[in-house]
Amino acid sequence: AQKVTQAQTEISVVEKEDVTLDCVYETRDTTYYLFWYKQPPSGELVFLIRRNSFDEQNEISGRYSWNFQKSTSSFNFTITASQVVDSAVYFCALSEVGTTDSWGKLQFGAGTQVVVTP
Amino acid sequence: EPEVTQTPSHQVTQMGQEVILRCVPISNHLYFYWYRQILGQKVEFLVSFYNNEISEKSEIFDDQFSVERPDGSNFTLKIRSTKLEDSAMYFCASSEGMEAFFGQGTRLTVV
Repeated sequence: AQKVTQAQTEISVVEKEDVTLDCVYETRDTTYYLFWYKQPPSGELVFLIRRNSFDEQNEISGRYSWNFQKSTSSFNFTITASQVVDSAVYFCALSEVGTTDSWGKLQFGAGTQVVVTP
Repeated sequence: EPEVTQTPSHQVTQMGQEVILRCVPISNHLYFYWYRQILGQKVEFLVSFYNNEISEKSEIFDDQFSVERPDGSNFTLKIRSTKLEDSAMYFCASSEGMEAFFGQGTRLTVV
């Protein structure tokens, strides 16, 4: 079963517009972590944000903000005033402790391609 | 800042050949992982490694794959007899038990 769903395959915006990326997750664990990663054309995975299941406080970090709602199992991510350099694939990921006693095993969504044009 | 290092960045190999992808995890980390990303698809978990043994593996990680921590610093992924469908980006990650830190990836092309 799909644990992390990113329904948007591609979003195209003009520079300075805001972009909101949707992520819906599924888990039976009460303790888990959620992540957003950015993958630019060069291919590496760039960590953006992490949130644990006990902290639903939504925050802003620079041009990034996120909206974590346990009631709807959603962890949406917004880029404010987008720039061309934001063009990348963005992945939402879920980490459950499971059997390994480690948070390092991540389950990724399919990714959303963000295209920002000047 | 400590980082996970992977070598080579790009490897081209012929079908049927063995390939070894290398990773140097962050030095005080105890958990190690390999992930795979076929071009245009999502990142998929392959295997986790702790205390010198595999702790979990996915159904992708069949008998063609093996992992090793040969010298206490390197962490390797070996593919015994590569197939065309093994062409992908392979990411190594390490963790101290909390979040995983990813390497920059090795792009494997099987021809």
